[in-house]
Amino acid sequence: TQLLEQSPQFLSIQEGENLTVYCNSSSVFSSLQWYRQEPGEGPVLLVTVVTGGEVKKLKRLTFQFGDARKDSSLHITAAQPGDTGLYLCAGAYGDKVFGQGTELSVKP
Amino acid sequence: NAGVTQTPKFQVLKTGQSMTLQCAQDMNHEYMSWYRQDPGMGLRLIHYSVGAGITDQGEVPNGYNVSRSTTEDFPLRLLSAAPSQTSVYFCASSEETTTVSPLHFGNGTRLTVT
Repeated sequence: TQLLEQSPQFLSIQEGENLTVYCNSSSVFSSLQWYRQEPGEGPVLLVTVVTGGEVKKLKRLTFQFGDARKDSSLHITAAQPGDTGLYLCAGAYGDKVFGQGTELSVKP
Repeated sequence: NAGVTQTPKFQVLKTGQSMTLQCAQDMNHEYMSWYRQDPGMGLRLIHYSVGAGITDQGEVPNGYNVSRSTTEDFPLRLLSAAPSQTSVYFCASSEETTTVSPLHFGNGTRLTVT
């Protein structure tokens, strides 16, 4: 049973487009993290959200934690080829539980 | 700045063979863990350790053993490899076991069992 469901699993867009990735669960998490992974490398932390309703911005990336702390979203404005990679959400439910990942491809 | 180092980077095993995946960190982190990554499955926790001498099972521990004799090292042993263990394995560490502590990952070991 997957505690965290990410959608979409694959996303291919043109440079300059906006996109949103979703991370949903039926469980309440004490915190949620987003990681980005490039081919041949391990995931790297982008952000941690802790409070329900919290919004954090990292340049063109906006992260939101749902009010009930069961869901989160990642919005990228004006995507660039350098944003290409696998985006993973991880919820703290005892140990960290990872979603399946969203594979993003941004074409120039 | 080494961080988390995993060796080897690639490995091919025959069914029934054994091997050890090495993981070392130089950040003096107490918490270390092993994940496997399979397509469409995300990262699944195999084993973890909250300090030297202490280990515990994660979500998918069957077929794997671990030990933690030092803070720096956390090897993962496959006693009798099976094709179902074909995967990419990641070692990670974090400063604390708190839920907000970020995980620092190595670059992975790609294992193929034939």
